[in-house]
Amino acid sequence: QQQVKQSPQSLIVQKGGISIINCAYENTAFDYFPWYQQFPGKGPALLIAIRPDVSEKKEGRFTISFNKSAKQFSLHIMDSQPGDSATYFCAASFFFSGNTPLVFGKGTRLSVIA
Amino acid sequence: DAGVTQSPTHLIKTRGQQVTLRCSPKSGHDTVSWYQQALGQGPQFIFQYYEEEERQRGNFPDRFSGHQFPNYSSELNVNALLLGDSALYLCASSLTDRVYGYTFGSGTRLTVV
Repeated sequence: QQQVKQSPQSLIVQKGGISIINCAYENTAFDYFPWYQQFPGKGPALLIAIRPDVSEKKEGRFTISFNKSAKQFSLHIMDSQPGDSATYFCAASFFFSGNTPLVFGKGTRLSVIA
Repeated sequence: DAGVTQSPTHLIKTRGQQVTLRCSPKSGHDTVSWYQQALGQGPQFIFQYYEEEERQRGNFPDRFSGHQFPNYSSELNVNALLLGDSALYLCASSLTDRVYGYTFGSGTRLTVV
């Protein structure tokens, strides 16, 4: 079964701290791993994505670390800010989709407190 | 450039009724996917429409059906509503089924009472 397991379910981080969210996948054929950010009342918005040919991708304060052998990937948010408070979803799919949809984790609710 | 537009934003229906949700894709996108997001959960794939045909379907009963129009807009229909159908219904559009181009709408919040 194509599953993506995400942890933790919720996370509280001090302003300026590092937020770390982890995901594990089962299907070794997946080759596209995006992270989505969702604010209340809004749809998910693509934050950053990675493919298995690299072990790390950084965009501003957001970094994805990817471990192909362990079938795990994680999102690091550096210098976390109150505006980062949202729900984060990891997902997996095939880059050249062929109609295969995104498979999402259950989400992590991040609260950044001052 | 308009993003994905969904209507209505909120809807309350009675158990057993039927509902139609609408989605207009982002300009330039030709593929529409529908997801159900229950409270506190990640989005679950319902189905995808491309070239006016259902191309892929998730694990949802036949009570869930859809349609795509020549202008690429789409409808999601749910018959015989159950309390468990209460959720946020998300529409995502993309270009020729490429997931990396997914753009989500803000969703329709359906409450079944």
